[in-house]
Amino acid sequence: DAGVIQSPRHEVTEMGQEVTLRCKPISGHNSLFWYRQTMMRGLELLIYFNNNVPIDDSGMPEDRFSAKMPNASFSTLKIQPSEPRDSAVYFCASRRTGDSNQPQHFGDGTRLSIL
Amino acid sequence: GQNIDQPTEMTATEGAIVQINCTYQTSGFNGLFWYQQHAGEAPTFLSYNVLDGLEEKGRFSSFLSRSKGYSYLLLKELQMKDSASYLCAVRDVTDKLIFGTGTRLQVFP
Repeated sequence: DAGVIQSPRHEVTEMGQEVTLRCKPISGHNSLFWYRQTMMRGLELLIYFNNNVPIDDSGMPEDRFSAKMPNASFSTLKIQPSEPRDSAVYFCASRRTGDSNQPQHFGDGTRLSIL
Repeated sequence: GQNIDQPTEMTATEGAIVQINCTYQTSGFNGLFWYQQHAGEAPTFLSYNVLDGLEEKGRFSSFLSRSKGYSYLLLKELQMKDSASYLCAVRDVTDKLIFGTGTRLQVFP
């Protein structure tokens, strides 16, 4: 079975540019989570969706960040304009709700560098 | 507030046993997860506890005490490939996972 698929794996861009990260969850999973990981702050939840609806976006750092989930098999996280402090690894994870012991499954992440 | 504490780093010898502790203070509790993360890779699921007690899964075991807000991950018969970061995460009542900053374990021959 395919896991969570993220693209691109690496992104290097100049500050001020728009960045779009993409995620395809595991088929049948109805919850999707976006995380950011840095050495200083560890793994932080940015936003999560349940059945394509944003449930909690309290972790989104500021208005420059936005996320969408237009259907059950695709989500995007957009940063516009990007800043050097946005440099981090961004992970997407998915889970099938309704069964409490089901863990979140993580994609391989996007390593983002803003110059 | 939400707070999850783990040691930052630990070292151990191949073949030994190591215990990684995690204490938590969260506004709600709906289970505790342990994940393993090798450098440059994604976190992968190791174990889940929602009731007090020990869950054993091969060389890895995880323990939970809800009254004490405490968990540990026990790794037996350590192998070099166990060198990784181990993340403790609490799921709150809204299904969010709150992660600790992780414990970096180095296994030496």
